[in-house]
Amino acid sequence: DAGVIQSPRHEVTEMGQEVTLRCKPISGHNSLFWYRQTMMRGLELLIYFNNNVPIDDSGMPEDRFSAKMPNASFSTLKIQPSEPRDSAVYFCASSQQVMNTEAFFGQGTRLTVV
Amino acid sequence: SQKIEQNSEALNIQEGKTATLTCNYTNYSPAYLQWYRQDPGRGPVFLLLIRENEKEKRKERLKVTFDTTLKQSLFHITASQPADSATYLCAINQAGTALIFGKGTTLSVSS
Repeated sequence: DAGVIQSPRHEVTEMGQEVTLRCKPISGHNSLFWYRQTMMRGLELLIYFNNNVPIDDSGMPEDRFSAKMPNASFSTLKIQPSEPRDSAVYFCASSQQVMNTEAFFGQGTRLTVV
Repeated sequence: SQKIEQNSEALNIQEGKTATLTCNYTNYSPAYLQWYRQDPGRGPVFLLLIRENEKEKRKERLKVTFDTTLKQSLFHITASQPADSATYLCAINQAGTALIFGKGTTLSVSS
C-alpha cells in the first residue's frame, strides 16, 4: 500500500478563497483523522470519522471549516473563506480503529493564505 | 483544563548516551499512550503503544514507561545515534476520543 495520500502538498491562496484539501486513507482502515499543525499550537485534532461517519468535529475551529467522507477511500477538508490565520500544515491520518492501534499519517499539506 | 506537556526545550545529547523524554498529562484518563517520531517536512511516524495496565514496553533501543499514578510516561532511547535526531510526540487515547498529541520534544544527537 502507498500509505495515506494527501494532495496538494503545498497550497498558496489568497484570503477569501476556498481551499480544498484531499486525503486517500489506507485501504481497509476504518478511521480517518484530520489534524492541523502549527508551531504555536502543535498538532491539533480537527475532526475524525469512523466508517465514513463524522464522530467528533469539536476541534473544527469555525463554521468556515467543513469535512466530508463520501466513501471509504476519500475525504476532503474545505475552508471557505480562507484567512491568513488558517496557514498551517494539515495532516490526514488513518487507522484500523479509533483506539488501540497506530495511526498512519500522510505527508501533509502546507497551506499558506496570503 | 486538559493538558499534555512535553519538555518544551530541545534536548541535546552526545552519541551513545541515553535520551530520556518526558510526557505529563492532566485531566485525562488514557487507556493507551503512544509515541511518534516526526522529521522536518514529514508526518509523524508511530513508534510504540503502551496500555494503562502495562508498566513498560520495549522495542529494540526504545523503552517506554507509563505511570498512571504520576500521570507520566517516559520515553528512552539507549545508545543514541545522530539518526535519532527528530521531534518526538506523545499522544493519548482515552475512551471515546481520537489521539490527542503533545507539542513534542526536539532531540538532537551530536557525534
